[in-house]
Amino acid sequence: DTGVSQDPRHKITKRGQNVTFRCDPISEHNRLYWYRQTLGQGPEFLTYFQNEAQLEKSRLLSDRFSAERPKGSFSTLEIQRTEQGDSAMYLCASSRTGSNQPQHFGDGTRLSIL
Amino acid sequence: AQSVTQLDSQVPVFEEAPVELRCNYSSSVSVYLFWYVQYPNQGLQLLLKYLSGSTLVKGINGFEAEFNKSQTSFHLRKPSVHISDTAEYFCAVSDLGTDKLIFGTGTRLQVFP
Repeated sequence: DTGVSQDPRHKITKRGQNVTFRCDPISEHNRLYWYRQTLGQGPEFLTYFQNEAQLEKSRLLSDRFSAERPKGSFSTLEIQRTEQGDSAMYLCASSRTGSNQPQHFGDGTRLSIL
Repeated sequence: AQSVTQLDSQVPVFEEAPVELRCNYSSSVSVYLFWYVQYPNQGLQLLLKYLSGSTLVKGINGFEAEFNKSQTSFHLRKPSVHISDTAEYFCAVSDLGTDKLIFGTGTRLQVFP
């Protein structure tokens, strides 16, 4: 169990640029979740995958956001035309299927928009 | 809709004192409940979970929590805290449809020497 890995740990970019984050889940986990955490708040759900299928997207996820998990292993989260309000910590978690299965989190990608 | 309320945004406490971090949830159905800890610039680490059975749940680092269905609470406790327990603590409920976690706003525990 090598844990959930996220890359990069930090990303600083100018407003209007596109950014992409990567998440490598624990290998035997078929569920993968993306959350966003702003300062002083708890994580908020963005989207999740069951294997390669994206099953739900939050209303927080505007059209500028897209997530993929092409082979049911790693996932990418892309933000196009970044805005100041996108500054946050983006957390990835993975688990086995089931509400009783604990989610294991990566250390997150902190995005700062200049 | 399910929701989680953490009543205290900050809890200051001296080392070796006991502590309780409060969590209340709202749900019309049975729930699974979790406590996570977050150290600065890190992700969340699972402390403990309540799925069913005994209402007193023991977790890592000496923490425990008690599920109270009538009061819809899941308070976290530790009998004697250490400096190293200084961190942000999040209570969460699992949505039974999607299994996504719904978090509270967190409680910052600050332990002083």
